[in-house]
Amino acid sequence: QVQLQESGPRLVKPSETLSLTCTVSGGSIGTDYWSWIRQSPGKGLEWIGYVYYTGSTSYHPSLESRVTISVDTSKNQFSLNLKSVTAADTAIYYCVRDGSVGVFENWGPGTLVSVSS
Amino acid sequence: DIQMTQSPSSLSASVGDRVTITCQASRDISKYLNWYQQKPGKPPKLLIYDASTLETGVPSRFSGRASGRHFTFIIDNVQPEDFATYYCQEYDNFPLTFGGGTKVDIK
Repeated sequence: QVQLQESGPRLVKPSETLSLTCTVSGGSIGTDYWSWIRQSPGKGLEWIGYVYYTGSTSYHPSLESRVTISVDTSKNQFSLNLKSVTAADTAIYYCVRDGSVGVFENWGPGTLVSVSS
Repeated sequence: DIQMTQSPSSLSASVGDRVTITCQASRDISKYLNWYQQKPGKPPKLLIYDASTLETGVPSRFSGRASGRHFTFIIDNVQPEDFATYYCQEYDNFPLTFGGGTKVDIK
């Protein structure tokens, strides 16, 4: 059974970059699609984007100018960078394995990231 | 973006009841709809994909139906462990979008 675990800073200052890494265990990242999804009280569940193991990506249009998702197959990890954050980016961030594109089969436990000075 | 209108936003039920939740898509999404269950402090869990296919290991009291742009999620004989928040999510179009959620609590 594939397991995912998010890691990274829990507190980010406004205008800085939010960076998270997801470590995949129990399976290879060299298949499937890998997504980031966030959840905030104000906006519910929001898909941020995905990366395929080849490195191809797709992003939510509302975040596309600020987001980069990348994959490191040698480490079995994928990462999220979200730049120029504001308080509106405060949320629980989940890394997720897509069984097929858009079917979110396996989720990390989530990590709460707060944007505050 | 496709809008997923989920209703009700909350409901109360007793153990053994039948619970029905609906999602309406703003345009045609074929069968490309998932249902998730989320308990407090936990990530969502996939229950149903392709509108009506049960994920492996999910009890058969959960079911899903599709009729055009209208989707229904049903829990027959709701059990204590089913009290949670449920979300629909479409995957026919990017960006992928979720419904607003339905909180099911104990009457």
